[in-house]
Amino acid sequence: AQRVTQPEKLLSVFKGAPVELKCNYSYSGSPELFWYVQYSRQRLQLLLRHISRESIKGFTADLNKGETSFHLKKPFAQEEDSAMYYCARPNSGGSNYKLTFGKGTLLTVNP
Amino acid sequence: EPEVTQTPSHQVTQMGQEVILRCVPISNHLYFYWYRQILGQKVEFLVSFYNNEISEKSEIFDDQFSVERPDGSNFTLKIRSTKLEDSAMYFCASISRVTDSPLHFGNGTRLTVT
Repeated sequence: AQRVTQPEKLLSVFKGAPVELKCNYSYSGSPELFWYVQYSRQRLQLLLRHISRESIKGFTADLNKGETSFHLKKPFAQEEDSAMYYCARPNSGGSNYKLTFGKGTLLTVNP
Repeated sequence: EPEVTQTPSHQVTQMGQEVILRCVPISNHLYFYWYRQILGQKVEFLVSFYNNEISEKSEIFDDQFSVERPDGSNFTLKIRSTKLEDSAMYFCASISRVTDSPLHFGNGTRLTVT
């Protein structure tokens, strides 16, 4: 089974500081990877996906196949970025498609 | 933008009772999911559903759980005899196709078993 590892359960930074949320995955060819965000009391929302290579809310994530990582970065954190962040990847394909999530990292941005 | 909707937002039930959690996926979506998140823990896959049948289920999804799509719009999760450890947030999700598709999640139902 594909695995996703988020080594940090909690991450606390000050407003304006850079932030990096780590995600590592078990190697398997060319993976699809996603970052989801869950703001307090809200649904899981897609933040970004590696195939689109876009920046959402100032966040970027680069797939590093050598390190099997997909770390989420933002150069200047804002208080409204405080949320739970989940790295995810699909398992299998066809009708068995599903996402497997990492354990999540709770980001707190302090004023 | 269309959304996955879930009802109720919070359900309190006594141990041993049956509960049904309801979801209305996005209308043109074909693949449906239930995930669970116990407080403080990660989001866990329960079951996927396609073409009116379960396509995959996790070890969590035992005989106490069942899913149905009774009328072509609702997608329900039934827990026959709830246990204290079933207390969690239950998220429904759907996608239109499996290629490069992120899951669209509902707001979740918080189930509290007392």
